[in-house]
Formats: sequence, C-alpha cells, structure tokens
Amino acid sequence: AQTVTQSQPEMSVQEAETVTLSCTYDTSESNYYLFWYKQPPSRQMILVIRQEAYKQQNATENRFSVNFQKAAKSFSLKISDSQLGDTAMYFCASNQGAQKLVFGQGTRLTINP
Amino acid sequence: EAQVTQNPRYLITVTGKKLTVTCSQNMNHEYMSWYRQDPGLGLRQIYYSMNVEVTDKGDVPEGYKVSRKEKRNFPLILESPSPNQTSLYFCASSQTPTNEKLFFGSGTQLSVL
Repeated sequence: AQTVTQSQPEMSVQEAETVTLSCTYDTSESNYYLFWYKQPPSRQMILVIRQEAYKQQNATENRFSVNFQKAAKSFSLKISDSQLGDTAMYFCASNQGAQKLVFGQGTRLTINP
Repeated sequence: EAQVTQNPRYLITVTGKKLTVTCSQNMNHEYMSWYRQDPGLGLRQIYYSMNVEVTDKGDVPEGYKVSRKEKRNFPLILESPSPNQTSLYFCASSQTPTNEKLFFGSGTQLSVL
C-alpha cells in the first residue's frame, strides 16, 4: 500500500521561530504531486503548498517552503517567522494514482506567544 | 464564489438510524470524493466519483453508500450507522483526476451513539 508518514504528532515553537515539519512517502507513480494542507480549529482544509514531483526546484509560498528530496522520498515543510495564526494541524499528502489523495497522520503545531 | 457545500456541520445520531450527508459543488467539477478523518490516521478516502453515475470504492468503503445522479451533488449515505463511524467527514471536488487543486467542504462532525 502506498503510504505517507508524518513522524511528529505534535510540535511547539515560539512565535517568530522557524519550524520544520517532516514527511516521508512511498509511491510507485512516476509522476505525482505532494501537498501540505493546514487545518485550523475551524476544521477547514487549506492548501498551503504543492510540489510537482518532476520539478526539481523546491516550491515556496511566502513564509512556507518545502525541502523535496525525491530519491529519499522526503517532503518537509519549513515555516519561517512563525505566527500565532500558523497554529493548526498540518497534513502531508500525495496523489496516489488518479482520484485519490493519501494523507499522513498529521502534525499538530502550536505557536506560542 | 466557488465552493463545496456540505450539510450538516454537526450530526448526532443513534446506531442503526439511516442518515445522509449532502455535498454540492458549484464549479462543474467532474471529480468528487468523500474522506473521513480520525485522530492518528489522517484522512482516508471512502468513495470517489469520476462523473455522473460513475463511482468507485476508496480505502474504507464498508458501511457507506454514495450516488451521483447529478454532476453537482454527491451525497454520502450511512444506511445503518455504527459507533465506529463516528468521525469527521469531508467532501471534496476537483476539475482534474490528479487532484492538484482540490476543493474541500467545511466538514461534518458525526457522532453515532
């Protein structure tokens, strides 16, 4: 079975610090996307960043960036200058074939003032 | 505004009482799916649909039914709910099969007593 693994159930940092969330995945697909989703207490699922596997350049979106290591099947999310509003559950996901995203277990991130 | 509308947001029911969670999208998307979210397990796909009258099982379809009679609607049916179906449910839709841009509903928190 294709899997996505987030090994950090919880993390906590001080406001303005940089934090990195880890994700590893397993896939037999030759081309695929990787995603990070944010889920705040409102439960809404918000796409943070997306990486296409065939692109070597790491994706960035403002304070959010990824470290995509294709050979190692690793896809970590770095949040720079963390803010209180970044407090949320974060899910790593991969599209495994057509029609399905496979999600990791989630990392609960708390930003402390 | 492009959106996926799910109802209800919260539902408490008893074992064996049939229920339906509705999902509607206004983006003319062909691809729709249902996920359930459980602590420590992330989101897992229940069913998906590629077009009207075309549906298929995801990873955890047992105990659920779906239908796709119209392109915009994709209801999730629990004919005889059990306590292990207590979960947070999400409907999602996409223009493409690879889900690189997935639109989520706001979620339905279901409790089966």
